[in-house]
Amino acid sequence: AQTVTQSQPEMSVQEAETVTLSCTYDTSESDYYLFWYKQPPSRQMILVIRQEAYKQQNATENRFSVNFQKAAKSFSLKISDSQLGDAAMYFCAYRRAFDSNYQLIWGAGTKLIIKP
Amino acid sequence: DSGVTQTPKHLITATGQRVTLRCSPRSGDLSVYWYQQSLDQGLQFLIQYYNGEERAKGNILERFSAQQFPDLHSELNLSSLELGDSALYFCASSTRDVSYEQYFGPGTRLTVT
Repeated sequence: AQTVTQSQPEMSVQEAETVTLSCTYDTSESDYYLFWYKQPPSRQMILVIRQEAYKQQNATENRFSVNFQKAAKSFSLKISDSQLGDAAMYFCAYRRAFDSNYQLIWGAGTKLIIKP
Repeated sequence: DSGVTQTPKHLITATGQRVTLRCSPRSGDLSVYWYQQSLDQGLQFLIQYYNGEERAKGNILERFSAQQFPDLHSELNLSSLELGDSALYFCASSTRDVSYEQYFGPGTRLTVT
């Protein structure tokens, strides 16, 4: 069974600095998708970035980028120029690419604190 | 705003009771997913419907059931509620069952006393 592990329960960073959140996963599949979701205090789940496993190029979305290491099964999120609004829980999630079951499998989350 | 709506926003009920949570997917989305998030934990997948048919089942208790109606809205029914059922219940939707984009609603906070 696939699993997703986020080993950092909490991270803090100074405003305007860069922070990296870690995520590792375990799968025997070769095709899959990986996601980072943000959950601010409002509890809304917001998709931050996604990565298709067949793509070698790391995904980027403005200040958010990932470091996808397929062989190492690692999928870290880098947030540049951290802003106060980035404070939230961040969840890493995995989904099989070709399956009748398209559920997302989630990590336990990392709480990101932004220091002003 | 993701376009996915969930009602009610909050629900407080007693043990042994039954509740129904409602979800309206984004316009045009055929797939609906239900997730449970217990306090300070990740999400657990419960069940998925695609165009009215059950597509996948996760860690859903027998006391829980769901359905998707012809107008594509979905309801999650929770019965014989226990204290441990207190959680945030999310609904998400996507365009197709193969789509990798899931858009989440604001969630329903269920408190069982």
